[in-house]
Amino acid sequence: GIQVEQSPPDLILQEGANSTLRCNFSDSVNNLQWFHQNPWGQLINLFYIPSGTKQNGRLSATTVATERYSLLYISSSQTTDSGVYFCAVVSYTGANSKLTFGKGITLSVRP
Amino acid sequence: NAGVMQNPRHLVRRRGQEARLRCSPMKGHSHVYWYRQLPEEGLKFMVYLQKENIIDESGMPKERFSAEFPKEGPSILRIQQVVRGDSAAYFCASSPPGARTEAFFGQGTRLTVV
Repeated sequence: GIQVEQSPPDLILQEGANSTLRCNFSDSVNNLQWFHQNPWGQLINLFYIPSGTKQNGRLSATTVATERYSLLYISSSQTTDSGVYFCAVVSYTGANSKLTFGKGITLSVRP
Repeated sequence: NAGVMQNPRHLVRRRGQEARLRCSPMKGHSHVYWYRQLPEEGLKFMVYLQKENIIDESGMPKERFSAEFPKEGPSILRIQQVVRGDSAAYFCASSPPGARTEAFFGQGTRLTVV
C-alpha cells in the first residue's frame, strides 16, 4: 500500500517563529489532507489539498502531486499551534477512499 | 450542520466485557470510516462502510471486532471480550461519496480496559 512519511518527527519553536512541515508519499493520490490533533485529542481539518496551494490565515499548504510531496507552512506561530500535525492521503490506485496517515509531527510552541 | 458525532467520549470496560462505540456521520455523508489510535502513534484504518454494506474491513482484527452501518441509525463498532491491548482512541470519519472528497472526523471515543 501507499507509504506516507512526515518530517521532522518533532519540532520545538519559540512563539512568533515560522516553520515548514513536510509530507512525502510513495504513490499518486486522489486526496491529501492535513490535520491538527490538539492536546485534547481532537482532529481538526486544516486543508484538503490533493494539488496546488491554499492559505487559511497564518497557515498555508502546497502539494506538488507530480513530485509526491506536500508542505504545511505555519507563520508567526502561537502556543495554541502546539499539538500533532498529520498528513493523510487516499491512494489513486487504491480500491476505495480510505485515508492512510503518516506518523505525525509533534510541534511544541514555547512562549 | 452538526459534525460527526461519536459517543460515548470515554468508555471504561473490564476485561472480558463488550464495548459498543457509536458514530453518526455528517448530514449528507454516506461513507463512514473507523480508525484506531494507540498511544503515541498515528491513526490506523480499520473499516470502511456504506449504508448496510462493509466495503473494506482489511484493517479489522480477525476476531472480536465487528462493525455495521444500518439503514437507520448510527454506525456501530463492537469489540467483544475486550483485552487491555484494546485500550486506544477510536475515531470515526465520514465523507460524501467519491474518492476526491474531504473526510471529517468525530471527537473520538477513548476506550480504557481495566
